[in-house]
Amino acid sequence: GAGVSQSPSNKVTEKGKDVELRCDPISGHTALYWYRQSLGQGLEFLIYFQGNSAPDKSGLPSDRFSAERTGGSVSTLTIQRTQQEDSAVYLCASSLEMVSYEQYFGPGTRLTVT
Amino acid sequence: RKEVEQDPGPFNVPEGATVAFNCTYSNSASQSFFWYRQDCRKEPKLLMSVYSSGNEDGRFTAQLNRASQYISLLIRDSKLSDSATYLCVVNPRTGGFKTIFGAGTRLFVKA
Repeated sequence: GAGVSQSPSNKVTEKGKDVELRCDPISGHTALYWYRQSLGQGLEFLIYFQGNSAPDKSGLPSDRFSAERTGGSVSTLTIQRTQQEDSAVYLCASSLEMVSYEQYFGPGTRLTVT
Repeated sequence: RKEVEQDPGPFNVPEGATVAFNCTYSNSASQSFFWYRQDCRKEPKLLMSVYSSGNEDGRFTAQLNRASQYISLLIRDSKLSDSATYLCVVNPRTGGFKTIFGAGTRLFVKA
């Protein structure tokens, strides 16, 4: 079946602009995660959504970052007033609830802020 | 102290070698443990879950030591294709599905 998809695959933006990154999880997966990975670094947890529960936003680095998940499926990560330090690969993952915590990742969006 | 710590390596081994990675975690209440593999400029992919009784999948063996709070990954008969970064992942189970990824251990297998 279809895996996790993300769009765009690459995004170059100017400092100060807003960007939106999209994630389509695997159908039937109720948990959705966003991570950030800077070059040569590990994954940094940003936010997760679980069904209809309130999302865990504890990993968002600043109030310029926000995320939504509509209808329990597609999610959008928005970064306002982008800064050069926001440049990274943004990874989305999804997993089944109550079955396992194994996460399936999308290919990521490579964000470059110039 | 980081919640999940790994030796960053790199580990440089010849083909056919056996190599082992360790990962320590700080939250003794952690319940779920995994090893993921990440190839250069690719997304992480699940390699294997780690069970209390230990588990084996072909050339790969994962073990959990709760008393010492570490998990290990053993790779036997290394192949060139095993070259990647291996990520240790822990679910602290403190209120949901949040998972903590280690920074990864890089492995290079040489001919």
